[in-house]
Amino acid sequence: AQTVTQSQPEMSVQEAETVTLSCTYDTSESDYYLFWYKQPPSRQMILVIRQEAYKQQNATENRFSVNFQKAAKSFSLKISDSQLGDAAMYFCASRAGGTSYGKLTFGQGTILTVHP
Amino acid sequence: GAGVSQSPSNKVTEKGKDVELRCDPISGHTALYWYRQRLGQGLEFLIYFQGNSAPDKSGLPSDRFSAERTGESVSTLTIQRTQQEDSAVYLCASSSDYYNEQFFGPGTRLTVL
Repeated sequence: AQTVTQSQPEMSVQEAETVTLSCTYDTSESDYYLFWYKQPPSRQMILVIRQEAYKQQNATENRFSVNFQKAAKSFSLKISDSQLGDAAMYFCASRAGGTSYGKLTFGQGTILTVHP
Repeated sequence: GAGVSQSPSNKVTEKGKDVELRCDPISGHTALYWYRQRLGQGLEFLIYFQGNSAPDKSGLPSDRFSAERTGESVSTLTIQRTQQEDSAVYLCASSSDYYNEQFFGPGTRLTVL
């Protein structure tokens, strides 16, 4: 079984500044994947970044990067140079590995507000 | 089509009625997932289909919920005798054999009066 916890219901950041969203997880799987999804008011879920648990190197996608601490079961998302378009609900999620398929387990989400 | 589509986008129904929600996955995607998102909450897994394997129904909350998929195409999620607690956004996603990413549709917002 997998659980994902996001302890920050809301976060805010000034445009062009950096913000970090927290996520912790628990899993009995030895192989798993971690994801951050963005959900703007349109409801469309958009994948921001993914991390394979067997990789020690933290994933990076342009202004988005993660701090993956496997022993601590922590998976935080850092957004650099925040933009107004980054405002959304952000969800951390996990999935068991071993195959390309399987259900995602989501956290409760963090609402990110970006101030101009 | 270019992405996952869902219909209707909004559905209002009366308590006790049955509803059907439709999902059209990305062409060629063998896996299809249904999730439920209550207001202000994270997504809860309901069911997923992958190829010809038996569907994983472990997330269905009650026997009032069922889903079908025709081959590797359209899926319908049926909720019988709807209750007010069924009010939520129902999201569908699909994925292919080669990538770990699930692509989501825009969801159906279900309101049970």
